[in-house]
Amino acid sequence: LAKTTQPISMDSYEGQEVNITCSHNNIATNDYITWYQQFPSQGPRFIIQGYKTKVTNEVASLFIPADRKSSTLSLPRVSLSDTAVYYCLVGKDTGRRALTFGSGTRLQVQP
Amino acid sequence: DAGVIQSPRHEVTEMGQEVTLRCKPISGHDYLFWYRQTMMRGLELLIYFNNNVPIDDSGMPEDRFSAKMPNASFSTLKIQPSEPRDSAVYFCASSRTGDWDTEAFFGQGTRLTVV
Repeated sequence: LAKTTQPISMDSYEGQEVNITCSHNNIATNDYITWYQQFPSQGPRFIIQGYKTKVTNEVASLFIPADRKSSTLSLPRVSLSDTAVYYCLVGKDTGRRALTFGSGTRLQVQP
Repeated sequence: DAGVIQSPRHEVTEMGQEVTLRCKPISGHDYLFWYRQTMMRGLELLIYFNNNVPIDDSGMPEDRFSAKMPNASFSTLKIQPSEPRDSAVYFCASSRTGDWDTEAFFGQGTRLTVV
């Protein structure tokens, strides 16, 4: 499994754009990059997934450079309700078909 | 679909008692996962099933923990006897396939407190 490194915490203010970068230097050729979001007292929720270049949905954008050794989750114009823990997951271990979560990035959005 | 349904939402029990957590996965999902979350250890995978068959239980802490999936719409996680260190939030999740590129859907969790 590709190991991921992401900041432990980030602070932002409402209306700002937030970028959370995840490093995954040993990503394999067939690995996807997936981000989950977890609000307090809830289970994780899928946000976005990509393989290369850029992916955008109604919640976020995911930027992946050509070497794929890192990725950046971009949240446009955050609000208080975006306060959550964001997990970056990378890997496609055929021997263990289950998501493995790291520590995640705790995003705190202030008014 | 109502999503993954877990019960109870909260459970408080005394040390030594048996605890059973329940999960109903999303219909049509072939994979079911049990996770445990604590402040110290984060989200840990305990066990997962494929088509009701346990595939990997290497995350189960010890013999006090057991999980079953008698049919495609129901799974249980049992702790017997329970200990204070088992206090955590237990999540159940399901997905259509076991591939990482398939979205996993999590339940609301069961907050277990063992006193």
